[in-house]
Amino acid sequence: GAVVSQHPSWVICKSGTSVKIECRSLDFQATTMFWYRQFPKQSLMLMATSNEGSKATYEQGVEKDKFLINHASLTLSTLTVTSAHPEDSSFYICSAPPKAGGGTGELFFGEGSRLTVL
Amino acid sequence: QKEVEQNSGPLSVPEGAIASLNCTYSDRGSQSFFWYRQYSGKSPELIMSIYSNGDKEDGRFTAQLNKASQYVSLLIRDSQPSDSATYLCAVKGTGGGNKLTFGTGTQLKVEL
Repeated sequence: GAVVSQHPSWVICKSGTSVKIECRSLDFQATTMFWYRQFPKQSLMLMATSNEGSKATYEQGVEKDKFLINHASLTLSTLTVTSAHPEDSSFYICSAPPKAGGGTGELFFGEGSRLTVL
Repeated sequence: QKEVEQNSGPLSVPEGAIASLNCTYSDRGSQSFFWYRQYSGKSPELIMSIYSNGDKEDGRFTAQLNKASQYVSLLIRDSQPSDSATYLCAVKGTGGGNKLTFGTGTQLKVEL
């Protein structure tokens, strides 16, 4: 089945630094990828939709200048948390539909990246 | 009103029993419904998808959908300790693309 790989799986950084998280589709092409954030004991909240070759679409309340998304190829999307602060500490998960253009809503998730900002 | 609602639990069932997980949604035009299992500290794993009214069975799992009542459920038969996890209900609304809205999840504990 479709595999989505995410790296790093966990990262600790100092406040004010930037952190980049990569999301790769390993055996399929993903024109669209989704970035979610999950705080402890809460559900997944969609942050943004990453579109290959065009600008990402951000959900309401998500700062696009703070969470930079780049989808430069059909198999790679990156999320950069800029000037990270402790409140950005969370579990960041990317996902992609298994078929390009597939509209059923089915998603495969990466392993997730746990960010801790000191 | 939350778009996708689940009882947070924990729901405790003895090993071998049937676990019943419920979910309601607010977007009446929703067409796709999913159940994901999430172990602590891990990312969600797709368990079941259902698109039409009725039951859909896959091994020990049965998903049930009632669009008129805006209700979707997941039954787990012969529950095992390894089923202990948080189960997330996800719904694809009437908007375009593959955007899913997730419930807060129900924590299931299967006790020996």
